[in-house]
Amino acid sequence: SQQGEEDPQALSIQEGENATMNCSYKTSINNLQWYRQNSGRGLVHLILIRSNEREKHSGRLRVTLDTSKKSSSLLITASRAADTASYFCATPKAAGNKLTFGGGTRVLVKP
Amino acid sequence: NAGVMQNPRHLVRRRGQEARLRCSPMKGHSHVYWYRQLPEEGLKFMVYLQKENIIDESGMPKERFSAEFPKEGPSILRIQQVVRGDSAAYFCASSPTSGKDTQYFGPGTRLTVL
Repeated sequence: SQQGEEDPQALSIQEGENATMNCSYKTSINNLQWYRQNSGRGLVHLILIRSNEREKHSGRLRVTLDTSKKSSSLLITASRAADTASYFCATPKAAGNKLTFGGGTRVLVKP
Repeated sequence: NAGVMQNPRHLVRRRGQEARLRCSPMKGHSHVYWYRQLPEEGLKFMVYLQKENIIDESGMPKERFSAEFPKEGPSILRIQQVVRGDSAAYFCASSPTSGKDTQYFGPGTRLTVL
C-alpha cells in the first residue's frame, strides 16, 4: 500500500456519533498531518502531530500517533452534518517537506 | 493576511491547447508546492519551488509540464498540449520554510480538457 493509507475508505454515521479513521504509513516521519476536504473544495489543515507526540487535541478532534506501528488515528467526537467531508492524512518526506497523501476517508454525517 | 490564491478556479481547454495555472502564496511564504488530484483520489505531489528555483520536480510528468516561481509574481504551472488525462484539480500550497511546517492550501484550479 502507499505511504499514508487511510482506513476505512468510507464511513457513514448519525449526527452526534463519533467517527474514527486510521492512517498507516511506511517510512519514518518527523510529523503527520490531517486535512479535511469538503466536496469540490480545497484542503483545510486540521492538525499536525510530531513524531515525539503520542496524542493531540483540537476542539472535537483527537489525533493519536503510534510510531512503533507506523499508524495514526483521527477521532471526531459528537459529529455534526458539517463534518461531512473527506479526510486525508499526509506525511512529509524528510527533506523538502513534500507531502504524501493517502486516498482519504469519505465521511458522511447524517442529520 | 490573505490565504493562498489560485486562479482561475475553473479552466476548460480543448485537447492540444495550453493551460496556465497561477498560484500566489501567503504573504511571507517563499516555498510553493503543486499537487494534482484525480477524482476520488488523494493528492499527488508534483513540484516544489522556492523563489527562482525548482527544488524538487520528481512528481512532474517528463513532458509537457513545467513550473516556475519568479522573483516577482505568482508561481505558474504550465501544461502544454493538454490531453484528456490532464483533467484534474490542481492545488498549490505554501509554507514559510521547508522541512517541518504546515502547508497551507489554495482552493485549487479544476482543469477540464474537452
